[in-house]
This record gives sequence, C-alpha cells and structure tokens, in this order.
Amino acid sequence: GENVEQHPSTLSVQEGDSAVIKCTYSDSASNYFPWYKQELGKRPQLIIDIRSNVGEKKDQRIAVTLNKTAKHFSLHITETQPEDSAVYFCAASIGGNTPLVFGKGTRLSVIA
Amino acid sequence: GAVVSQHPSRVICKSGTSVKIECRSLDFQATTMFWYRQFPKQSLMLMATSNEGSKATYEQGVEKDKFLINHASLTLSTLTVTSAHPEDSSFYICSASGGGWQYFGPGTRLTVL
Repeated sequence: GENVEQHPSTLSVQEGDSAVIKCTYSDSASNYFPWYKQELGKRPQLIIDIRSNVGEKKDQRIAVTLNKTAKHFSLHITETQPEDSAVYFCAASIGGNTPLVFGKGTRLSVIA
Repeated sequence: GAVVSQHPSRVICKSGTSVKIECRSLDFQATTMFWYRQFPKQSLMLMATSNEGSKATYEQGVEKDKFLINHASLTLSTLTVTSAHPEDSSFYICSASGGGWQYFGPGTRLTVL
C-alpha cells in the first residue's frame, strides 16, 4: 500500500522567512495530494491541495509543487507569520472515495 | 466547504465501558466515511473505512470486534469503542467523502480512566 514520508519533523524559522516541507510517496497510482494544518487539539484543516495533472499550485503565501516522476511533493510558505505555527501534514490518495495516507507531520514554529 | 460534525467532542469513561461516537455529514451525502485515530504528537492513522449499507473495512491491527462501525445512512456513521481500556485513549476523527473531497469532523477526545 501507499507509504508517505515527510521531512523535517520539526522546523523553526524566523518571522518573514520561508518554510519548506517535503513529502515522498510510494504508490505511483496516487493522484491527490492535500496538505493539512493542525493546531493543538483541533481537527486538521485543508490548506492547499494538488492533483497529479498539475505541477504547481499557489494560494497567496502558500504553494505546493508536485514531481510525479520523482514521487515527491512540497509545501512552501513564504513570509511566515507567528500564526503559521502549527503541525502540518501531507497526505496522498488515489482519489475518489479512498482514504488518505498521512505523513508523520512537521511541527513548524515561527519565531517573532 | 462541507460540514461534518462529531459528537461528543470529549468523553471520559471508566475502563470496561463502551463509548459511541457519531459522525454526521450535515450538508451532503457521504457514501464513504473514514475513521482515523491520532495519539498525542503522532499522525492520523486510518482505522477503518465505512461504506453506507455495508460492513466496514478495517486496517491491519484494528480489532473489528472492539471498534464497531455502523454506517446506516448517507449522513451518519458511528464508531463504538467496546470495553474501553486506558490504551484506547486517543483523538478519534472521522472524515466524510463526497465529490472527490474529504471533510474532517472536529474530532472526539476519548479518555479512559
């Protein structure tokens, strides 16, 4: 089955700097790659996603890139702010009514 | 986005008792719902896939007789933790699938004393 690896497990950046989180996946059939932000004690919130027919997607300060050949995808956050501090999870699925397989998460700390 | 609710949000129970958690899709019909479990400082792990009108599919290592799942309608799935023990204490999150998207419920924090 699908296996998703996520790095780094923790990341600290200065406010205003960029943060990059990387994930790799194993199942070449996966075609849907969402990113979730989870604050302490709360549900994961979808922040951006990408499907396999697209190489890059951007939404304001957040962007995701996908390299299907290499089977990896990345989350880029620019101009980080303290409120970006949270745990971020990448996930992969083959789409439709199939479950998501999550990476282990990255704890991002943005230092003011 | 679509709304998924979970009830209760928190539950504390004694060891050996059973706890039922409800997951509802409020504004769309979910043919498939997923149940995840998240231990402190860990990722979400899929427990089972629940399809309306059929038996749930459990992931390896998840006891189907301990975690009973019922998906009786297109808007409701329930997870019952039977004979709960302290090691079952966790954050249980459901997600409802519709239109190719998944929407998470707010989660239920279970503490077994």
